[in-house]
Amino acid sequence: KQEVTQIPAALSVPEGENLVLNCSFTDSAIYNLQWFRQDPGKGLTSLLLIQSSQREQTSGRLNASLDKSSGRSTLYIAASQPGDSATYLCAVMFFSGTYKYIFGTGTRLKVLA
Amino acid sequence: GAVVSQHPSRVICKSGTSVKIECRSLDFQATTMFWYRQFPKQSLMLMATSNEGSKATYEQGVEKDKFLINHASLTLSTLTVTSAHPEDSSFYICSARLPRVTSGGTLSTDTQYFGPGTRLTVL
Repeated sequence: KQEVTQIPAALSVPEGENLVLNCSFTDSAIYNLQWFRQDPGKGLTSLLLIQSSQREQTSGRLNASLDKSSGRSTLYIAASQPGDSATYLCAVMFFSGTYKYIFGTGTRLKVLA
Repeated sequence: GAVVSQHPSRVICKSGTSVKIECRSLDFQATTMFWYRQFPKQSLMLMATSNEGSKATYEQGVEKDKFLINHASLTLSTLTVTSAHPEDSSFYICSARLPRVTSGGTLSTDTQYFGPGTRLTVL
């Protein structure tokens, strides 16, 4: 059974710091991994999608890496800003009858001005 | 990009009533859609896979008679919460699968696009 865990569960940092959010999964037979952002009471915003054959993806101040063999992904946020405050979710897509996503436990990030 | 909508965005109902939530893929056809629920300050939990023209597949622990899913067309799936109770209050999110297709020898990505969610409050 695929399980996805994120560490830390919550994080509070001063503005300008570089951050690393961690995601681990138990079954390495994944199709892709996606990082999302969720603001309070809102839906999901896709940040980065990494295919199983890829090692990393970058978008602006965000960089996500994937090490499938060890079951890990990291999301790196450079020069954090108060607007980055949100919950960050990773989700792995794997095949179980159909391709489906299992979401991680989430990291609640607060960036202080 | 592909767009998925949900209706309503918010619903408040009395205990014992049934509530229907719609999920639509606006600019693509989705043979498969998914329903998730999210309790406050928790992550998304996959409830079921909705397949067009056939019965939904429910995840372990999800009551299929409580959460009725109908995928009547390639662009619409509905989730009906029957005889709702306060413990059913949650944020419900759907997603629609955009399958891999081959075009001129190029294989696109099999991925899902998520709706904006529906906040259900049962009094």
